[in-house]
Amino acid sequence: AQSVTQLDSHVSVSEGTPVLLRCNYSSSYSPSLFWYVQHPNKGLQLLLKYTSAATLVKGINGFEAEFKKSETSFHLTKPSAHMSDAAEYFCVVSNTGFQKLVFGTGTRLLVSP
Amino acid sequence: EAGVVQSPRYKIIEKKQPVAFWCNPISGHNTLYWYRQNLGQGPELLIRYENEEAVDDSQLPKDRFSAERLKGVDSTLKIQPAELGDSAVYLCASSLEVVHEQYFGPGTRLTVT
Repeated sequence: AQSVTQLDSHVSVSEGTPVLLRCNYSSSYSPSLFWYVQHPNKGLQLLLKYTSAATLVKGINGFEAEFKKSETSFHLTKPSAHMSDAAEYFCVVSNTGFQKLVFGTGTRLLVSP
Repeated sequence: EAGVVQSPRYKIIEKKQPVAFWCNPISGHNTLYWYRQNLGQGPELLIRYENEEAVDDSQLPKDRFSAERLKGVDSTLKIQPAELGDSAVYLCASSLEVVHEQYFGPGTRLTVT
């Protein structure tokens, strides 16, 4: 069975400071990993995905994530937070066929001026 | 390109009443998904369609939930009768094929009183 654990339910940063959202995964085989963002009253949007190619994955809006097999982690980072980054972020694991996405419980990112 | 459309956006009903949600996927997308997102949780897959066929409905509570995707385009998810525990956001997603990125609609927020 596959699962992800998002280590923080809430993360607060100031605008212009770095963002780190932590995610650990569990999978019995090589996983595909994703980060999705959910803004209030809007649909989930894919930020980036890892599918066994480069371990450092760049996504939209300046986000990136690094797949570390030895640590079973897939943390999401951004060098400088913007007010518009405030949202709920979900780490997601899937098998290589993308047939079933398993979501974490989410991390709410708060950005203060 | 129009995204995934869902209606209604909000629904409040009394317990034991029926309710239905409608989803129109992105044009040309063969795979359609229904997810349920409980408060403070990530979405969980209820059912997946490939064209008209429900290929994964293992998580659908079949005693009260039903779904259909006539003609392999739009889809309806029904609950009859609704229970208090069904209060959640119901998300629809679609993808070109099962191995491709899923695009999510804004969801229907159901409140059962």
